[in-house]
Amino acid sequence: ETGVTQTPRHLVMGMTNKKSLKCEQHLGHNAMYWYKQSAKKPLELMFVYSLEERVENNSVPSRFSPECPNSSHLFLHLHTLQPEDSALYLCASSQEPAGTVSGYTFGSGTRLTVV
Amino acid sequence: GESVGLHLPTLSVQEGDNSIINCAYSNSASDYFIWYKQESGKGPQFIIDIRSNMDKRQGQRVTVLLNKTVKHLSLQIAATQPGDSAVYFCAENIPAGKLIFGQGTELSVKP
Repeated sequence: ETGVTQTPRHLVMGMTNKKSLKCEQHLGHNAMYWYKQSAKKPLELMFVYSLEERVENNSVPSRFSPECPNSSHLFLHLHTLQPEDSALYLCASSQEPAGTVSGYTFGSGTRLTVV
Repeated sequence: GESVGLHLPTLSVQEGDNSIINCAYSNSASDYFIWYKQESGKGPQFIIDIRSNMDKRQGQRVTVLLNKTVKHLSLQIAATQPGDSAVYFCAENIPAGKLIFGQGTELSVKP
């Protein structure tokens, strides 16, 4: 257990479904991240929240919608996904501000399969 | 653009041998580097880090070397064990204050 917990661990959903991924961190960090990990590709940053405010969105399709109600919780709402969205979705947290980076702590991820 | 890449996608070593995993980075202003290990079914886990004012840093059975002249980073694992089998990522902290990850090298340890 790394201090970052993701649920569910596995998710299979149809293209018309709506689901949400949840992430919770118990480390007192003030920044949280969503990454997408596809086979044979580097980690792709999707969203960054710092102090509960979204500070970065790397042009992710609108079918992915993040929510950060407080500094300990992060959600990724999914709707009308495509099969190419199947991947491992990783949540991470860190203590910012930038310049004092000491690495990110990752959760175990949610393995998403879109059918 | 900024990117971090790994020279080899896979590496196979004999148990007990030393492993060397390489990484090239492109942003000369990056000031902090991290190696992560990702085992099957788990998220990446921090192994060791190094700041740009250092050339070498040692941990338990692991050593990271930084060559800023050629923008190269390596991870050395001594006496590689079956439990070291995993995918290893390097990451660089660019001036914008975010981490850029490489593709990863899959290390396989043969008994």
